[in-house]
Amino acid sequence: QVDLVESGGGVVQPGGSLRLSCEASGFTFVVSGMNWVRQRPGKGLEWVSFSSHDGKSDSYADSVRGRFTVSRDNSKNTLYLRMNGLKSDDTALYYCTRDGEGGSFDSWGQGTLVTFSS
Amino acid sequence: SYVLTQPPSVSVAPGKTARITCAGNMFGSKTVHWYKQKPGQAPVQVFYYDTDRPSGIPERVSGSNSGDTATLTINRVEAGDEGDFYCQVWDSLTDNRHFGGGTKLTVL
Repeated sequence: QVDLVESGGGVVQPGGSLRLSCEASGFTFVVSGMNWVRQRPGKGLEWVSFSSHDGKSDSYADSVRGRFTVSRDNSKNTLYLRMNGLKSDDTALYYCTRDGEGGSFDSWGQGTLVTFSS
Repeated sequence: SYVLTQPPSVSVAPGKTARITCAGNMFGSKTVHWYKQKPGQAPVQVFYYDTDRPSGIPERVSGSNSGDTATLTINRVEAGDEGDFYCQVWDSLTDNRHFGGGTKLTVL
């Protein structure tokens, strides 16, 4: 079955950087679009970024455009999210999702948490 | 940018019907997807393309899209149906995705 395992979250300081990873298995990663979705503590879901199956096309939410970069290594079945210029508002659980029919999210990982030090 | 408006909460008695709405602009050209999230768990897709149900989702859960409002309907509601429900659309021109604010379903 589809398995998505995120890693790389942690405690950061404002202005810092972090790289999240999502290791995929159980499906053909090289033909699948992938996304990052985040959820701030106690809040709703927010789409962050999309990567096409070959990594040649991507898109970003206005809130992260210019600071976050999505990439992938299809030889390793892994999706990445490079986050620069982090703000306290970026504190969230970051989910990796597979792109499904009609731009939906048909599979989700368990998430990796990004928090800020005080 | 799309704004998807959901009621913050819906309450329903067991055995009754719950309807969770999602209002948005230009819905007529978009399909709506739905997700359910239980506390401490990742979301799960429960409907896509307005009316298609993933495997494992019971038939008493259905979806509709009237053009400016999409509705997720849960018949014969059970205690296990409680959770947060989110609608979502895809803007194919920008490849951006958008979520509604979410609706908390409470079974009385």
